[in-house]
Amino acid sequence: GAVVSQHPSRVICKSGTSVKIECRSLDFQATTMFWYRQFPKQSLMLMATSNEGSKATYEQGVEKDKFLINHASLTLSTLTVTSAHPEDSSFYICSARPGTNNSPLHFGNGTRLTVT
Amino acid sequence: ILNVEQSPQSLHVQEGDSTNFTCSFPSSNFYALHWYRWETAKSPEALFVMTLNGDEKKKGRISATLNTKEGYSYLYIKGSQPEDSATYLCAFAGTGGTSYGKLTFGQGTILTVHP
Repeated sequence: GAVVSQHPSRVICKSGTSVKIECRSLDFQATTMFWYRQFPKQSLMLMATSNEGSKATYEQGVEKDKFLINHASLTLSTLTVTSAHPEDSSFYICSARPGTNNSPLHFGNGTRLTVT
Repeated sequence: ILNVEQSPQSLHVQEGDSTNFTCSFPSSNFYALHWYRWETAKSPEALFVMTLNGDEKKKGRISATLNTKEGYSYLYIKGSQPEDSATYLCAFAGTGGTSYGKLTFGQGTILTVHP
C-alpha cells in the first residue's frame, strides 16, 4: 500500500518552455505532499510543501513564481517549472505520508529534467 | 539551516560482511529520525522512523539505534548481501516553528556489496 506515482520520469525541454510534473497518491489521500530537488552529489533539498486546497509553503530561496505548485485534489499535486533555464536541470522528486507526522514518507520515482 | 551529516559517503564491502554507518543531527528540538534505502532506478523506501532516545529498531538483517541527546543514529547491516547495495539516507525532523515535521536529509551513504 501507500504508493506514490510521479510522471514523467524523464523530460527534456528547451530553454524558455514550461514543464509540468505530476505526483499522485494512488491508494491513500494526501492533504500534504512534499517536493524535493536533488543536485548531483547532494542531498534531497525540500523545495515546498504542497497543501490541498490552499497555497503551497515554499522553503527559503525557492522562487514561488518559478516553481508553481497546485494541489487541487487529495490525490494529485503538480509542480510546474515555468520558463525553464539550463540551471533548472535537476532531479525532482515528490513524496507524501499517509498518516501522522511520525509516519514515513512515500516517494515517487522522481523526474529527471534537462533543459537545453 | 539544519546540519544532517552522514558518514562515510561511500562504502564497499564483501558479501557476508557486517557494516554500519552514521547519521549525525542537531541534538535540540528533536522530533523524529528517519532512515530510507534508495536503490538505483527506484524510489526511496522507508526503513525506520525513530522517535525516542535509546530506540533500537530491527528489520531483518538491518537495525538502527538512536541517541537524541548527542545527536546520532547508527544503521547496521549484518551479513551484507549484494541486494543491500543502495544509498542509505537519514532524515531529521525537528520541532522548531515552521520546521515542525519537515524532513532534512543527509547526503546519504552509498553502499556497494561485492559478491
